Amino acid sequence: DTAVSQTPKYLVTQMGNDKSIKCEQNLGHDTMYWYKQDSKKFLKIMFSYNNKELIINETVPNRFSPKSPDKAHLNLHINSLELGDSAVYFCASSPTGGSAGELFFGEGSRLTVL
Amino acid sequence: AQSVSQHNHHVILSEAASLELGCNYSYGGTVNLFWYVQYPGQHLQLLLKYFSGDPLVKGIKGFEAEFIKSKFSFNLRKPSVQWSDTAEYFCAVKGGANNLFFGTGTRLTVIP
Repeated sequence: DTAVSQTPKYLVTQMGNDKSIKCEQNLGHDTMYWYKQDSKKFLKIMFSYNNKELIINETVPNRFSPKSPDKAHLNLHINSLELGDSAVYFCASSPTGGSAGELFFGEGSRLTVL
Repeated sequence: AQSVSQHNHHVILSEAASLELGCNYSYGGTVNLFWYVQYPGQHLQLLLKYFSGDPLVKGIKGFEAEFIKSKFSFNLRKPSVQWSDTAEYFCAVKGGANNLFFGTGTRLTVIP
């Protein structure tokens, strides 16, 4: 069973379109994240979501909007896609408490904007 | 604010060579430290972690790391690398209530 699963794994789309990436975790964790990995492999946190509290990274454009219907899901919606949005987006989750900070990653969703 | 530095961008080694990847962080308080590995085309996986106690921690696949508080370092080591260790290695730091911050990664290429 996949602990953190993302769909789709690959996404190719045109500039200006709107797209969503879904993430689900079956680990019972309270906190979920979205990370962006650019072409140089640099990992940058975009959002974290803990028990319905969304913590927004101020450097993320407001075209990106996370939505969490429940604590097992954290979806990422992107409006008006731009070329610079091309990257691999990783969803992750972590438990609170003693192991806080240890992340469990999904397999990533590679977004290509043409 | 916390930050993580990985000075080695790309390391190339022959099989059986010893490995040490540097990681330095800046944060004044208590930290949790991690090394993650990303094999080609795959997601990140935890190699090892340090929360407290013995500063020498052992992880999977023969990797270990040493936390040296006075140097703000958490270097990753392996005595003898294999071709299958070819991957991107990320050091990460969590200070206090902050989120986990990653270094820029070190690409390791092991030549058979």
